[in-house]
Order: sequence, then structure tokens, then C-alpha cells
Amino acid sequence: AQRVTQPEKLLSVFKGAPVELKCNYSYSGSPELFWYVQYSRQRLQLLLRHISRESIKGFTADLNKGETSFHLKKPFAQEEDSAMYYCALSDNSNSGYALNFGKGTSLLVTP
Amino acid sequence: DTGVSQDPRHKITKRGQNVTFRCDPISEHNRLYWYRQTLGQGPEFLTYFQNEAQLEKSRLLSDRFSAERPKGSFSTLEIQRTEQGDSAMYLCASSSDLVANQPQHFGDGTRLSIL
Repeated sequence: AQRVTQPEKLLSVFKGAPVELKCNYSYSGSPELFWYVQYSRQRLQLLLRHISRESIKGFTADLNKGETSFHLKKPFAQEEDSAMYYCALSDNSNSGYALNFGKGTSLLVTP
Repeated sequence: DTGVSQDPRHKITKRGQNVTFRCDPISEHNRLYWYRQTLGQGPEFLTYFQNEAQLEKSRLLSDRFSAERPKGSFSTLEIQRTEQGDSAMYLCASSSDLVANQPQHFGDGTRLSIL
């Protein structure tokens, strides 16, 4: 069974500190992984996907197949990064590539 | 384009009543998804449409739930004989199948509260 685990429910860091939001997955096959973010009173939106290998808002995430991880990192956190972050795995056995989400990590960046 | 639109934003109803939600996807998107999100959880997949065809249904979608997308554009999700456990945020998402695994775009959701 496919599963996405985000071990931290809440992560609090100071502004300017590095941040790492953890995501581990279980999947038999080639995974397609995403990070979605939900800012206060806004809709869920795509932050980045692993195949793009790009940096969005200073965030990066590297797929580590050996450790089955897709951790989200940013070297210097900003207050506007405070939000709910969800790691998601695309179910390639589902004809529509439905997403399996983790439970989410709430990131709080304090001044 | 305003993105994925869902109506209503909030619905409060008594247990046992029927409710219906609507989702208008991004106009050029032929894939449409419904998810349910309860407190402290990530969204959970309910069902998926490719154009007007409902191609996938999760085991979470009990027989009290029915979804339609009659003309391949907007979709409705109906819950019959609502129960307390149906209280949740119901999210709609859409994407295009031009390329495999296109990102899904989400609506604001409909928050359902069962009294």
C-alpha cells in the first residue's frame, strides 16, 4: 500500500534559520512526489514537484529513493513561509493519478 | 480564469438530510477529482472523472455518496442521509491530461457541518 508520512505535526523555527520538513513514502514503483502548501485562508496550491527539480520561493526538495524520502528544505526561513505543508504521492495505479497526501506539517516562522 | 470554483463554501445541515455540492473546474481541464479532508488529516481521494466518465472511486465513497459530471464540465457531489462522520471539508481539484501527472489545482472547498 502506498503511504506518505510526515512525522512532524508542527515545526517552529526562527526567521533566518534553516528549515527542513520531512516526508517519507512507501511505494512500489517510480514515485511522483509533490509538495503542496496552504497559507492561512487560502486554497491548497502546488509548491513544487520532484520531476521539475526547481526551486520555488527558495524551497527545494530532492527525491532520495534509497531513503524513500522527499524532504522540503529552505536555507533561510521567512515569516511569510508560515503555512501548512503537505507532501503528496501520485498514485500511478489510479487512472487519474489521484494524490495520496500526508497529514501535513504546520510551519511557524517566528521573528 | 478564477481557477477551480466550489459552491457553497459552507453547509450546515441536520443529520439525515441530503446535501449537494458543486465544483466548476478550470475550463480547459478534463480531469476532475473530489477529496475529503477531516481535521488533522491530509486530503483523501474520493473519486475521479475523465471528462464525463467516472473512472475511479475510493472505498471511502459509500453508497450514500454519488458524484456526477454530466457534460464533462462542472461536477456535483451528493451525500444522502448525512451522518455525523460526514462532517469534513470537501475539496475539488482539476487537471489536464495533455501530459501525464499534470499538477492538480484545488478549489477552496465546501465545509460541511452535520448537527
